[in-house]
Amino acid sequence: EDQVTQSPEALRLQEGESSSLNCSYTVSGLRGLFWYRQDPGKGPEFLFTLYSAGEEKEKERLKATLTKKESFLHITAPKPEDSATYLCAVQDGTASKLTFGTGTRLQVTL
Amino acid sequence: DVKVTQSSRYLVKRTGEKVFLECVQDMDHENMFWYRQDPGLGLRLIYFSYDVKMKEKGDIPEGYSVSREKKERFSLILESASTNQTSMYLCASTQGQFEAFFGQGTRLTVV
Repeated sequence: EDQVTQSPEALRLQEGESSSLNCSYTVSGLRGLFWYRQDPGKGPEFLFTLYSAGEEKEKERLKATLTKKESFLHITAPKPEDSATYLCAVQDGTASKLTFGTGTRLQVTL
Repeated sequence: DVKVTQSSRYLVKRTGEKVFLECVQDMDHENMFWYRQDPGLGLRLIYFSYDVKMKEKGDIPEGYSVSREKKERFSLILESASTNQTSMYLCASTQGQFEAFFGQGTRLTVV
């Protein structure tokens, strides 16, 4: 059974204070690892897909990396508008379904 | 712009009522999903469909059924709503190994 564990559960940063969110996974044949951002009361919004170990993707202040066992979402010099819950999900090789972690709730303060 | 649209943002239903949640996507995706999201439990898969009239149980199908008569539409049915089905319901669609797109969510309260 696919499993995704995200840490920390919650993270409070000051504006400009860089940090990383972790996503550890076990899956039979990784087809893809996905990062989403979710604002309160809304559906998840797609950020990145990573397909193989060593791959990296960047978008503005966010950078996602992937190893064979985990993925990191690095946030460089965050701003208050980066405050959200960040979700990680994996898709295995046998099915199209996504298995999600419980998310990291990020708060960035001035 | 890709779009997944859920029929309601907020619903309040009584215990025992039959409830229909509708989801429509305009991307011609093969796969569609229904998740529920609860604090501390994350997104849990209820049912998914990989083709018209095809469906597969997810991790928590009890108390739910689904219908997919057309490719673009995937319905979630609560046969007899109960208070423990109060939750945020999220519909998503995807094609192959590409990213899933989500609807805006339906917050269902069963009283």
